[in-house]
Amino acid sequence: EVVLTQSPGTLSLSPGERATLSCRASQSVSSNYLAWYQQKPGQAPRLLIYGASNRATGIPDRFSGSGSGTDFTLTISRLEPEDFAVYYCHQFGSSPLTFGGGTKVEIK
Amino acid sequence: QVQLQESGPGLVKPSETLSLTCTVSDGSISSYYWSWIRQPPGKGLEWIGYIYYSGSTNYNPSLKSRVTISLDMSKNQFSLKLTSVTAADTAIYYCARVWSSSFYWYFDLWGRGILVTVSS
Repeated sequence: EVVLTQSPGTLSLSPGERATLSCRASQSVSSNYLAWYQQKPGQAPRLLIYGASNRATGIPDRFSGSGSGTDFTLTISRLEPEDFAVYYCHQFGSSPLTFGGGTKVEIK
Repeated sequence: QVQLQESGPGLVKPSETLSLTCTVSDGSISSYYWSWIRQPPGKGLEWIGYIYYSGSTNYNPSLKSRVTISLDMSKNQFSLKLTSVTAADTAIYYCARVWSSSFYWYFDLWGRGILVTVSS
């Protein structure tokens, strides 16, 4: 099983600041199968990034993804008030499919 | 715009079977994989399994002995059955569509989720 470890667990930042979220895999994951999701309280997760670096339809360009192998990063260049949420990485490359534990981005 | 909607009992007794249905609206169930994912209150996401429109399935080994996912193309629905439930199965259950191509696989559409509580 591929274990995805996200860090930090919580990120306290102010609007306008840059957020850098990390996702580390216990074994190599093809970039094609690495995705990021955003989840707000009371809502279902929403796809942000697929294929490690491709923004989903309608996702603002302040969101970007990068990485390969075992290390992946989600960057939010300038936090907007609506970006404060929990973010999950996910791998579809091997079964069982797994999610990271999440990073909560909270207002400082 | 394709939409997914979960339905089923919100309360299930311990040792009984949890049964949920996901209805796909404004789109066909054909040519896609469909999945169930759950989230215990305040915790992270756990993949349960998925089914292809042809009927082939893949389950999380941690739940495989208790899970069955099936689909009804005539109703544009797919379903989840989880047997012998305990309090540990209390969670929000989401249905989701899998986008699969030659290059990328990911969950592109999600239902709103349904909270299922296991309690006597």
